[in-house]
Amino acid sequence: KQEVTQIPAALSVPEGENLVLNCSFTDSAIYNLQWFRQDPGKGLTSLLLIQSSQREQTSGRLNASLDKSSGRSTLYIAASQPGDSATYLCAVRSPLGGGADGLTFGKGTHLIIQP
Amino acid sequence: GAGVSQSPRYKVAKRGQDVALRCDPISGHVSLFWYQQALGQGPEFLTYFQNEAQLDKSGLPSDRFFAERPEGSVSTLKIQRTQQEDSAVYLCASSLGDLSTYEQYFGPGTRLTVT
Repeated sequence: KQEVTQIPAALSVPEGENLVLNCSFTDSAIYNLQWFRQDPGKGLTSLLLIQSSQREQTSGRLNASLDKSSGRSTLYIAASQPGDSATYLCAVRSPLGGGADGLTFGKGTHLIIQP
Repeated sequence: GAGVSQSPRYKVAKRGQDVALRCDPISGHVSLFWYQQALGQGPEFLTYFQNEAQLDKSGLPSDRFFAERPEGSVSTLKIQRTQQEDSAVYLCASSLGDLSTYEQYFGPGTRLTVT
């Protein structure tokens, strides 16, 4: 069974800092990996999708990397802003995930950017 | 275009009541997923549809949970004889096709509270 772990569980940093969120998964046979953002009381917003054949994806101040062989992904946020405060979730899609096509999620990293 | 919508956004049910949660996927999306998110946890896969066919229901926690998508568009998740442990946010997601590479787009969720 696929398991996803996110470290740290919570992070609080001053505005302007660059930061890294970590995600690890137990089975490297994945189809893809997605990073999501979740604001309180809201649904999930997809930030980046990395296919298993890719090493990284970039969108604005966000960069996500994938090392499938070691079962790791990182989400790098440059020049953090208070508006980046949210819970960040990592999810993988794999044969051992939830059914044939369901995503397996980590518990998330709760990020607070201090003004 | 319109994203995934869910209704109601909030539902309070007394223990033992039946509830029905609705999901309207993005128009033309073949695949539809239901997830359950307990407080402080990542979402967990419940069930998956490809058009009107329910291809995987391995995540449904008990036989009190039932999902349908009769015309391959709108889906309903029904919970019979609700219990307190059913309190959670229920998220619906859709994706364009049945390939594992497709991105999943999430709705805002329905927060169910069982009293």
